[in-house]
Amino acid sequence: GDSVTQMEGPVTLSEEAFLTINCTYTATGYPSLFWYVQYPGEGLQLLLKATKADDKGSNKGFEATYRKETTSFHLEKGSVQVSDSAVYFCALLKAAGNKLTFGGGTRVLVKP
Amino acid sequence: DAGVIQSPRHEVTEMGQEVTLRCKPISGHNSLFWYRQTMMRGLELLIYFNNNVPIDDSGMPEDRFSAKMPNASFSTLKIQPSEPRDSAVYFCASSPSDRANSPLHFGNGTRLTVT
Repeated sequence: GDSVTQMEGPVTLSEEAFLTINCTYTATGYPSLFWYVQYPGEGLQLLLKATKADDKGSNKGFEATYRKETTSFHLEKGSVQVSDSAVYFCALLKAAGNKLTFGGGTRVLVKP
Repeated sequence: DAGVIQSPRHEVTEMGQEVTLRCKPISGHNSLFWYRQTMMRGLELLIYFNNNVPIDDSGMPEDRFSAKMPNASFSTLKIQPSEPRDSAVYFCASSPSDRANSPLHFGNGTRLTVT
């Protein structure tokens, strides 16, 4: 079946450091890929998405490129802030379905 | 737009009691999802509805769990009887379409503790 694998956290960084969160997926066909972010005490929010190979999703300084050859969708940000501390979820959606498959989440802690 | 509204935010109950969680989706959204989040199992899709009709309930853990969507603006998730292993955060989410790529909008969740 479909699956999403993320690097385990927590990831602890200093402010202005470079952030990478690895995400790889297993799925048949051509899924759409998403990153969601969950701040403490809140639900998940869509951060960015990419719907086909080589698409780059971007939002709030975060970027991720849909790499079909490596079945990856790594999340990056060049200079993190304390406010980026959250849990980040990678997810995929099959073209013919309506069910998101989530990775296990990666907790990121940015220290001042 | 008030977003997806869930109630209560926190629920503490004793084993064996009935628990009802409530969700009001975003107006105009015709797909609704119930998720459960735990440290051990992460995010699990329990059930989802499209146009008030349950489409896939394969994630519902057992017969103690039931979900209804009597109209487009309201859904409930009921656990009867509740057990300590049901303790988790339950999220409701809605989306504007049953087409692929429609983003999910999540509520802030209900934290359930069963003692």
